[in-house]
Amino acid sequence: QKEVEQDPGPLSVPEGAIVSLNCTYSNSAFQYFMWYRQYSRKGPELLMYTYSSGNKEDGRFTAQVDKSSKYISLFIRDSQPSDSATYLCAMSPASGGFKTIFGAGTRLFVKA
Amino acid sequence: KAGVTQTPRYLIKTRGQQVTLSCSPISGHRSVSWYQQTPGQGLQFLFEYFSETQRNKGNFPGRFSGRQFSNSRSEMNVSTLELGDSALYLCASSTQGGNTEAFFGQGTRLTVV
Repeated sequence: QKEVEQDPGPLSVPEGAIVSLNCTYSNSAFQYFMWYRQYSRKGPELLMYTYSSGNKEDGRFTAQVDKSSKYISLFIRDSQPSDSATYLCAMSPASGGFKTIFGAGTRLFVKA
Repeated sequence: KAGVTQTPRYLIKTRGQQVTLSCSPISGHRSVSWYQQTPGQGLQFLFEYFSETQRNKGNFPGRFSGRQFSNSRSEMNVSTLELGDSALYLCASSTQGGNTEAFFGQGTRLTVV
């Protein structure tokens, strides 16, 4: 079993839909939870990060962490075609990048 | 502000050859980390360099090595290439190595034939 599980998709939604992306994990030591967006032929770009549990909102994006269930989510409201990308969850027990474990990524397609 | 620059963008090599990839971090960033990205395994940490010293290392064989220069530019070398080394190799730079402040380059797509 992988430390971080993420459904690879693809996930296809119409423009304007609310998108829910999720990851589960097994290591209870994880404290930092991150979401990256990766466009085709580009490197990952950090979207949001959360320390420990709770919610964080940034514009159309909301990240949620439920440590009791070992489950994290990223919600995208009013999805746009420009949101079409692969979304990677990542988590680590400390702030050091070398301990970060990435999910496999979910491919999202937003149809106009 | 210039981003992280990786060269070359694409490479095709033959099994058994060796390859060197380059990464120029954002100005002022002293930490450079390297990752391998494949469809099956996702993003996996190779190693991190900070101020010319390897600070952390992932679980990759010794054929994978790297170095960092005094200007923080980093190179990664893979010797005796295998078909399974075909991947997107990404580097990320940050000021101190923290995972919440890292910026990734566009990657080098390596194909081993």
